[in-house]
Amino acid sequence: QKEVEQDPGPLSVPEGAIVSLNCTYSNSAFQYFMWYRQYSRKGPELLMYTYSSGNKEDGRFTAQVDKSSKYISLFIRDSQPSDSATYLCALTRGGILTGGGNKLTFGTGTQLKVEL
Amino acid sequence: SQTIHQWPATLVQPVGSPLSLECTVEGTSNPNLYWYRQAAGRGLQLLFYSVGIGQISSEVPQNLSASRPQDRQFILSSKKLLLSDSGFYLCAWSRKGAEAFFGQGTRLTVV
Repeated sequence: QKEVEQDPGPLSVPEGAIVSLNCTYSNSAFQYFMWYRQYSRKGPELLMYTYSSGNKEDGRFTAQVDKSSKYISLFIRDSQPSDSATYLCALTRGGILTGGGNKLTFGTGTQLKVEL
Repeated sequence: SQTIHQWPATLVQPVGSPLSLECTVEGTSNPNLYWYRQAAGRGLQLLFYSVGIGQISSEVPQNLSASRPQDRQFILSSKKLLLSDSGFYLCAWSRKGAEAFFGQGTRLTVV
């Protein structure tokens, strides 16, 4: 079983739709959760960063974490064609680390296409 | 503000040739530094990470090595490239215990 599972899609939605992207994980040691957006042939761009259960909102984006279910989500409201990209969830044990660095464990990414 | 630079953007190299990819970070000190490789449909695979100058940890045995000669410089190398080394290589940095920020990546094709 992979540590992090993410549906690869592709997910196709009409412009203006609400998009829900999800990841599940198996290790309760993960305490910090991130969502990245990656356009084709570019590096991932950090969208959201959270470390507690509940919701965090930033503009049209809402990150949701349910540690009891080991389930994280990213919601995109009023989706736009410019949101078409691959979305990666990333998890880390985090904290102030020494030898372990701050290693991120990534999902495989969900490809999203927002159509006009 | 902090910025990360990674070059070159694309690279085509023959099998058996050496490799050197460089990454530098500006605007912060003593960052954690990472090299990832991304294959289609497989997410990002951590290759190396470093918590300080000269401190390198390898995650996956392979034909690659990494070095950190200066605080904000991270280099990925190979003495002899294999076809299987082709991929999209990403450098990243983070503060201790926080989220990571990525460079724009190098697309390496070994022919």
